[in-house]
Amino acid sequence: EPEVTQTPSHQVTQMGQEVILRCVPISNHLYFYWYRQILGQKVEFLVSFYNNEISEKSEIFDDQFSVERPDGSNFTLKIRSTKLEDSAMYFCASSVRGTGNQPQHFGDGTRLSIL
Amino acid sequence: GESVGLHLPTLSVQEGDNSIINCAYSNSASDYFIWYKQESGKGPQFIIDIRSNMDKRQGQRVTVLLNKTVKHLSLQIAATQPGDSAVYFCAEISYGNKLVFGAGTILRVKS
Repeated sequence: EPEVTQTPSHQVTQMGQEVILRCVPISNHLYFYWYRQILGQKVEFLVSFYNNEISEKSEIFDDQFSVERPDGSNFTLKIRSTKLEDSAMYFCASSVRGTGNQPQHFGDGTRLSIL
Repeated sequence: GESVGLHLPTLSVQEGDNSIINCAYSNSASDYFIWYKQESGKGPQFIIDIRSNMDKRQGQRVTVLLNKTVKHLSLQIAATQPGDSAVYFCAEISYGNKLVFGAGTILRVKS
């Protein structure tokens, strides 16, 4: 069964450093998403992406965050200058379409630890 | 000291029994709902979905019930197995394609 894959599984970074989290969405999916889950808290939406553009973003997704689809398979989340509070699990998801009746399928996440 | 994080409700069931996990959603305009299962160290795994024009949908061993009047969603798991032990989340979409997740329920299956 096709799945969303994320790398690395765990990233440890010094505060203030840039980090790039990588995702390979399911191949025939057109909509891509990033969510995060701070330890012990709910899964929170960060951003959705379609046709090489951000279609929606949350208030968490500030100027320190950016997303990119650098080629036909990868989808990345960059945090420019990491803060301690960026420590969380980051999940990538994808869906066939972006209408509200298509399930989003998630990867197993990258655990980001900021020191 | 101050407590942080969520204290998730826990449902403990005996192997072979049926489980019912409940979720209250917040937005009456939500028109699509999904149940996800999250095992330790893994991402949310899609279980079943339902649109707001339905009140019941069945899958393999799972049934989702939607009561729009009271904004309530439930997941029923038949003949619960040890492999069903996980955290279960409901999620809703009201506009666009942003999923809003609930807090989650821990399901523990006793053998």
